[in-house]
Order: sequence, then structure tokens, then C-alpha cells
Amino acid sequence: NAGVTQTPKFRVLKTGQSMTLLCAQDMNHEYMYWYRQDPGMGLRLIHYSVGEGTTAKGEVPDGYNVSRLKKQNFLLGLESAAPSQTSVYFCASSPGTSYEQYFGPGTRLTVT
Amino acid sequence: EDQVTQSPEALRLQEGESSSLNCSYTVSGLRGLFWYRQDPGKGPEFLFTLYSAGEEKEKERLKATLTKKESFLHITAPKPEDSATYLCAVPDSDTGRRALTFGSGTRLQVQP
Repeated sequence: NAGVTQTPKFRVLKTGQSMTLLCAQDMNHEYMYWYRQDPGMGLRLIHYSVGEGTTAKGEVPDGYNVSRLKKQNFLLGLESAAPSQTSVYFCASSPGTSYEQYFGPGTRLTVT
Repeated sequence: EDQVTQSPEALRLQEGESSSLNCSYTVSGLRGLFWYRQDPGKGPEFLFTLYSAGEEKEKERLKATLTKKESFLHITAPKPEDSATYLCAVPDSDTGRRALTFGSGTRLQVQP
């Protein structure tokens, strides 16, 4: 039982490049979330999903897209990376029967 | 607007020196208050959920308490391994997405 996993762990992009971050959970959770964490600003919700095939915007969705084609996977895409997207990205999942969320180990992204 | 404020931002203690961390919140209709621990380079790890004023939860040297406007995380006789950032969070007023609003955290350092 791995819980929530994220790949890759680290990535450096140049401005304008694209990439996809993968989140996988093996707990059969309905809800999945993508957050970014920046110094002094806490965790901010980018996008979320309430079930397979559904996605919705969070607080800071601009510049990101997501997909949830399978219940266990939640992908976060950056189509044209900008330096402002330099951050640590966390994926989380929740069963939906409570508000408790379980987090992955994070992806540290640097955009130069 | 949902708001979570944590204080202090950083706290340095000597081993064995007890103290408390504060989390104050503004949310319409509290559906729980969550405490997480985050080690450097890792994702937040769930510690406690408190649901009603007066409730207390304990785990090893940590005790969380809840009032109608704030929560405290009491650390009794801390050890260096308690060094981490402690985050608190409350569920969004938007109940559909079952998301959490996080505070910026308190960075705790316990020196031997």
C-alpha cells in the first residue's frame, strides 16, 4: 500500500516548455487535489476532482490543466511554463466520507 | 472568506521546553479542524482532526485542543525529532469540493 505517489520528484524547465505531473493513489479515494506550496503562502488549491472523469478549478488554476481519466490517477499539466510556476506541487486524495486528505511526497519544479 | 492564521511563524525551543502553537480560523460552519506535520522535503502528514469546541486529541508529546475561534497544539517536553512545520486547516465553506484551507504553518525547531 503505497498511498499517494508523485512523479517526478524534481524537474527543471525553461520558460515556455510543457510538462505533466503524475499523481497516483491506491486507496480507492474519490477526491483528488493538486496544491502548490510557496514560502510564506501555505498550500493553495490549483484544481481538484470529485471523481473519475470530473475536474474543477481551485483558487489558483491559471496556467494549469488537469485530467482524471482513471480513478487512481490525477494529472497536472503545464502547457507553457512560466517562472511564476516555480514551486513545490503536492497531490492529495480524500475518501470523500470525511475531509481528511492524504498527501504525496511532492514535486519540486523550477522554471528558468 | 475562509481564513486560517497560525502563530508564531517560527519557534525555537530547547529540548524539554514545552510550548504551544496557535491556529485561529474564520469559517462559516466549522466541519472540523485538521493538524498536519510537514518535514522538510516531504508532504504533509495527517495528525489530528477536532470537530467541536472543548475536544482534545493526543499523540505522544502533542495535544491539540479546540475552541470556537482557535486551536492550540501543545508540545510537552519536546525532542529534536519533533522539529517540523506544523500546519492547520479547515474545510472550505464550499462543501461540494471538500477542500481544505491551510494556514501558512509554524516552523518548529527543537534544539538538543
